[in-house]
Amino acid sequence: DSGVTQTPKHLITATGQRVTLRCSPRSGDLSVYWYQQSLDQGLQFLIQYYNGEERAKGNILERFSAQQFPDLHSELNLSSLELGDSALYFCASSVGGDLAYNEQFFGPGTRLTVL
Amino acid sequence: EDQVTQSPEALRLQEGESSSLNCSYTVSGLRGLFWYRQDPGKGPEFLFTLYSAGEEKEKERLKATLTKKESFLHITAPKPEDSATYLCAVLTFSNDYKLSFGAGTTVTVRA
Repeated sequence: DSGVTQTPKHLITATGQRVTLRCSPRSGDLSVYWYQQSLDQGLQFLIQYYNGEERAKGNILERFSAQQFPDLHSELNLSSLELGDSALYFCASSVGGDLAYNEQFFGPGTRLTVL
Repeated sequence: EDQVTQSPEALRLQEGESSSLNCSYTVSGLRGLFWYRQDPGKGPEFLFTLYSAGEEKEKERLKATLTKKESFLHITAPKPEDSATYLCAVLTFSNDYKLSFGAGTTVTVRA
């Protein structure tokens, strides 16, 4: 158990809908990262927040947005969902904000199915 | 465009049969190369970060090395519990950070 929690574990929804995925980092970690993993695209980095501020941006679509709250938990919002958004979404956390020098601890993931 | 290629896609080993996984990259501005282990249905687990050519890191039966164009993950005398998908990722910085993952190598170790 990495200490990172994600809810829900599974989510089934329809095309065009909007969903929110939630992540609680390990105690003491200030950075939160979001990743998408699908069979055809592999693991992709979406975005990083450090202490409430956006720190790095990856392949995040405009239909997706994220934020980190004062209590350091984070939410990933996915809107206008398409079939291709079906994937495992992972959250990770680390103590510091530098991608290069901070070990990331991954949560168990949220499996999103868009029908 | 940054490219990260892992080979082979899959590797079947007998217990105790040492082997190596390859991660080759074509990037500019390398800041670090990461190795992760991922079990089915679970999140990746961090193994190593390498920063410069010539660097080596070890952990139990695993040893990671880095050159200017590729990294190797050597598995010495593997055990069935080493069965997993091993992912490498490359972090670069130009105007902004970019983190790119390879497709992974799935290792199966038979007893």
